[in-house]
Amino acid sequence: AQTVTQSQPEMSVQEAETVTLSCTYDTSESDYYLFWYKQPPSRQMILVIRQEAYKQQNATENRFSVNFQKAAKSFSLKISDSQLGDAAMYFCAYLVGGNTPLVFGKGTRLSVIA
Amino acid sequence: DAGITQSPRHKVTETGTPVTLRCHQTENHRYMYWYRQDPGHGLRLIHYSYGVKDTDKGEVSDGYSVSRSKTEDFLLTLESATSSQTSVYFCAISDRTSGNYEQYFGPGTRLTVT
Repeated sequence: AQTVTQSQPEMSVQEAETVTLSCTYDTSESDYYLFWYKQPPSRQMILVIRQEAYKQQNATENRFSVNFQKAAKSFSLKISDSQLGDAAMYFCAYLVGGNTPLVFGKGTRLSVIA
Repeated sequence: DAGITQSPRHKVTETGTPVTLRCHQTENHRYMYWYRQDPGHGLRLIHYSYGVKDTDKGEVSDGYSVSRSKTEDFLLTLESATSSQTSVYFCAISDRTSGNYEQYFGPGTRLTVT
C-alpha cells in the first residue's frame, strides 16, 4: 500500500522568512501525482500545488515551490516570504491514476511568527 | 470555488442513533469521496464513488455505508453511531478528465456522538 510520511508534526517560521516542509512517500509506481493542501483555521482544504511525476521540472505557484526528488521519493514544499496567512495545517498527498483515491500524510502544522 | 456543499455542517447525536451526512455537488464530477479527519491521523478515506451506484471502501469503512443514486449526491450513513465516530467529515470531488486529478473539498461536517 502506498504511504505518505510527513516527519514534522509542527514547524514555525518568522514572517518574511523561508520554510521547507518535508514529505516522503512509498510507491512502486512510476507514474503518479503529488499534491500539497493547506488547511487554515477555517477548516477549508485548499490546493496549494501539484506535481506530475513524469515532469522533471519542479512546480511553482507564486511563493510556493516544490523540490521533487523522484528517486528519493521526496516531495518537499518551500514557502518563501512567509506571511501570517500561511499559518495552517499542510498536507502532502499522493495519487496514482485510474480509480484510486488520494492518500494523505498526517500533516504539518505551520505557525508564522510576526 | 468548486460547488460542493455538505449538510448538516454541525451535528450532535447520541450513541446508537443513525446519522446521514449529505454531500451535494454542482460540478457534474464523476468521483466523490468521504474522509474523516482526526487529530494525529490526517485525512482518512471512508468510502468513495466512481460513478452512480459505483462505490468502494476506503481505509476506515467499518461502521459506515454510502449511497449514490445520482451524480450530484453522495450520502454517508452511520447506521448506529458510536463515540469513536466523533470526527470532522469531509466530502471531496474530482473529475479526472484530461489529466486533472485534483480533489476539491467541501467545508466539512463536525459530528459529535455523545
